[in-house]
Amino acid sequence: GAVVSQHPSWVICKSGTSVKIECRSLDFQATTMFWYRQFPKQSLMLMATSNEGSKATYEQGVEKDKFLINHASLTLSTLTVTSAHPEDSSFYICSARLPGVQETQYFGPGTRLLVL
Amino acid sequence: AQSVAQPEDQVNVAEGNPLTVKCTYSVSGNPYLFWYVQYPNRGLQFLLKYITGDNLVKGSYGFEAEFNKSQTSFHLKKPSALVSDSALYFCAVRDGTGTYKYIFGTGTRLKVLA
Repeated sequence: GAVVSQHPSWVICKSGTSVKIECRSLDFQATTMFWYRQFPKQSLMLMATSNEGSKATYEQGVEKDKFLINHASLTLSTLTVTSAHPEDSSFYICSARLPGVQETQYFGPGTRLLVL
Repeated sequence: AQSVAQPEDQVNVAEGNPLTVKCTYSVSGNPYLFWYVQYPNRGLQFLLKYITGDNLVKGSYGFEAEFNKSQTSFHLKKPSALVSDSALYFCAVRDGTGTYKYIFGTGTRLKVLA
């Protein structure tokens, strides 16, 4: 149980294009999902908290117009990197919160984005 | 402010020997503590957590961790290391402000030598 998927697992795009990454909780409902970014050999940097049915909460320094987050259902959150540039190249990881007594975040496998 | 420290960037241990990966934390209120493992180019896999109850927590793949309130530590341990345990390990604490955010340590790379 508590499986989270991400799609795509990797994407290469041209500078200026937009890329959408999907995060799904496969066997539980997640009112809260999180989006992280990880640079090589570094820890995870929280980008935003995605709440179903409401606007995402972005961390300081993260451009909300650049990284659009939509949490349209209890099992799906999407991150769209708009007008991507090479500096947006990174490993993006989502997690879904399993609430209650099982309080735990379960992570997706990550999406490697390379912007040329 | 909440924080997590993993003082070792890398830990080397011989296969079959016990391993310890250290984690200390600072949090207001009761801590929710977690350990995750990350293999190359993969997401994080949940290993174990402490929320309440017994201070010794057992998790996946033979790992365990001991919650020590007085030392504000939550060290990850395994009695006998395997080469396949080589990976990046993250300790995390849940933010105590009600946002459910996790604060991650900087990670410790574990290398188990055959």
